[in-house]
Amino acid sequence: GNSVTQMEGPVTLSEEAFLTINCTYTATGYPSLFWYVQYPGEGLQLLLKATKADDKGSNKGFEATYRKETTSFHLEKGSVQVSDSAVYFCALRGGGSSYKLIFGSGTRLLVRP
Amino acid sequence: EPEVTQTPSHQVTQMGQEVILRCVPISNHLYFYWYRQILGQKVEFLVSFYNNEISEKSEIFDDQFSVERPDGSNFTLKIRSTKLEDSAMYFCASSSERASNEQFFGPGTRLTVL
Repeated sequence: GNSVTQMEGPVTLSEEAFLTINCTYTATGYPSLFWYVQYPGEGLQLLLKATKADDKGSNKGFEATYRKETTSFHLEKGSVQVSDSAVYFCALRGGGSSYKLIFGSGTRLLVRP
Repeated sequence: EPEVTQTPSHQVTQMGQEVILRCVPISNHLYFYWYRQILGQKVEFLVSFYNNEISEKSEIFDDQFSVERPDGSNFTLKIRSTKLEDSAMYFCASSSERASNEQFFGPGTRLTVL
């Protein structure tokens, strides 16, 4: 079945450091891929998405490229801020008649001043 | 900006009791979802709901669970006889159309079963 694997956290970085959070997936067909972010005490918010191979999703300085050849959708940001501290979830939607999201386990990011 | 709301934010109940978790989806949305996250584990899909019926459900969503849209604004998840293992954060989500792929999530209800 479809699944998502994320790197385990927590990831601790200094402000302005480069961020990579790895995400790989297993899916049949052509899934859509997502990154959600959860700030403390809040719900999941869509950060970015990509719906087909080689698409790049971007938002708020974050980017992720849908790589079908490596089944990956790694999240990157060139310079993190303290306000980026949150839990990041990679997810896929398998397509076809199913619209459920399948999530990775989440990666907690802590950015220190 | 429209948002999904959930009440209560935290529910504590005794094992075997019934609980109802409430959600108010975004007003023009048509598709509704429940997910849950047991502490330290992945966010898991429970059920999707459209046009007053369940469109998809997971293996977790057994006979103890039910969903309902009792009026034009609320979407509820009922657990008939709670178990210790039902303790989790429950998230409601809604989307305007399937093709958009974007689901908007509420802040969650933390359910604690004692």
